[in-house]
Amino acid sequence: QLQLQESGPGLVKPSETLSLTCSVSGGSISTISYYWSWIRQPPGKGLEWIGSIYHSGTTYYNPSLKSRVTISVDTSKNQFSLNVTSVTAPDTAVYYCASDYGYGMDVWGQGTTVTVSS
Amino acid sequence: DIQMTQSPSSLSAAVGDRVTITCRASQSIDSYVNWYQVKPGKAPRPLIYDASRLQVGVPFRFSGSGSGTDFTLTISSLQPEDFATYYCQHSYGTPLYTFGQGTKLEIK
Repeated sequence: QLQLQESGPGLVKPSETLSLTCSVSGGSISTISYYWSWIRQPPGKGLEWIGSIYHSGTTYYNPSLKSRVTISVDTSKNQFSLNVTSVTAPDTAVYYCASDYGYGMDVWGQGTTVTVSS
Repeated sequence: DIQMTQSPSSLSAAVGDRVTITCRASQSIDSYVNWYQVKPGKAPRPLIYDASRLQVGVPFRFSGSGSGTDFTLTISSLQPEDFATYYCQHSYGTPLYTFGQGTKLEIK
């Protein structure tokens, strides 16, 4: 059964780059037809899709974040990653990774809290 | 860009009640709508995909319907564990995904 696990620093300074990794177990990140996604939820707010990467490597980003976001895959480690540059306080959130095989985002990581503060 | 508008933003109901949450897309999105349940401190739980298909393990009291621009999530008989926030999401076109703003379901 597919499982996802986020990892990365819980505290990032303003103007720096937020970097998170999602480790995939129970399946291969190279499996065709999978979208691998990042979603976040700021405190007291709703879910926000950040971006996704298809098994082919094609990336899709939320237009509101596109200029600061990069998602990539490391097939050798069965992981995918998120980088958000020039972070500010509004980037403080719980960050989730999730997978979609054509049935909605049906597998989610447990989430990791990232706080932007000096 | 496709926008998803949920209503109501909050709802009070009692155990045993039937509740319906509505989601409207800013353009036709066929049946590419998914629904999620979110509880504080927990990862989102997928409920429904493709507007009406139940995810594995989701109780049958949850149902979804709609196509085009108008979609609904219905809980036929509320249970104590159903009090949570619910989000719709499209998975059609550009951008790839957008979530609705959420509907908080509270105990009356």
